[in-house]
Amino acid sequence: EAGVAQSPRYKIIEKRQSVAFWCNPISGHATLYWYQQILGQGPKLLIQFQNNGVVDDSQLPKDRFSAERLKGVDSTLKIQPAKLEDSAVYLCATEAEGEGNTEAFFGQGTRLTVV
Amino acid sequence: AQTVTQSQPEMSVQEAETVTLSCTYDTSESDYYLFWYKQPPSRQMILVIRQEAYKQQNATENRFSVNFQKAAKSFSLKISDSQLGDAAMYFCAYSTDTDKLIFGTGTRLQVFP
Repeated sequence: EAGVAQSPRYKIIEKRQSVAFWCNPISGHATLYWYQQILGQGPKLLIQFQNNGVVDDSQLPKDRFSAERLKGVDSTLKIQPAKLEDSAVYLCATEAEGEGNTEAFFGQGTRLTVV
Repeated sequence: AQTVTQSQPEMSVQEAETVTLSCTYDTSESDYYLFWYKQPPSRQMILVIRQEAYKQQNATENRFSVNFQKAAKSFSLKISDSQLGDAAMYFCAYSTDTDKLIFGTGTRLQVFP
């Protein structure tokens, strides 16, 4: 079974530029998450999708961050314009539907450096 | 709000020895799930072990076991017969049926030959 695919693996941009990250979930996984992991911290949820609907985006800085999940499969996360404090690893995770709490599978993340 | 605390930024262990990583959490929920994730330099989070709060029996997965103390809100990870490949960041995490994970700040485990 193929895992969660993320691209690019690394990205360096200047502040005020735009950037987009892409996530391809495990086939059939209905739930998709984007987490932000700042150096030295644990990941923090940015947004949770169930199929193509948003379940939780309470921690997403909506003035500069946006995310979409077209057709309930692939997802993109965009930052526009980027700030220095957005430097972090952006992790995508997906889960199958099921009763109770099911296992989340993570991609390898995108390391973003804003200079 | 739920919080997860890992008070050990770094731990070290000799190969073949045993090490315990600590985690405490705070919640007002009665049903929840606790996890330990391993994050090697490749950055991919790998599930090590999970515990359902309603289960009194501590979870085990081969060399990995937990000590779950629900009343104390403590969830420690014991790694027995440590191997060089166990070296990584370890994150304790909490979740409910909504599935989103709340992570601690992590413990860096070094394994010495």
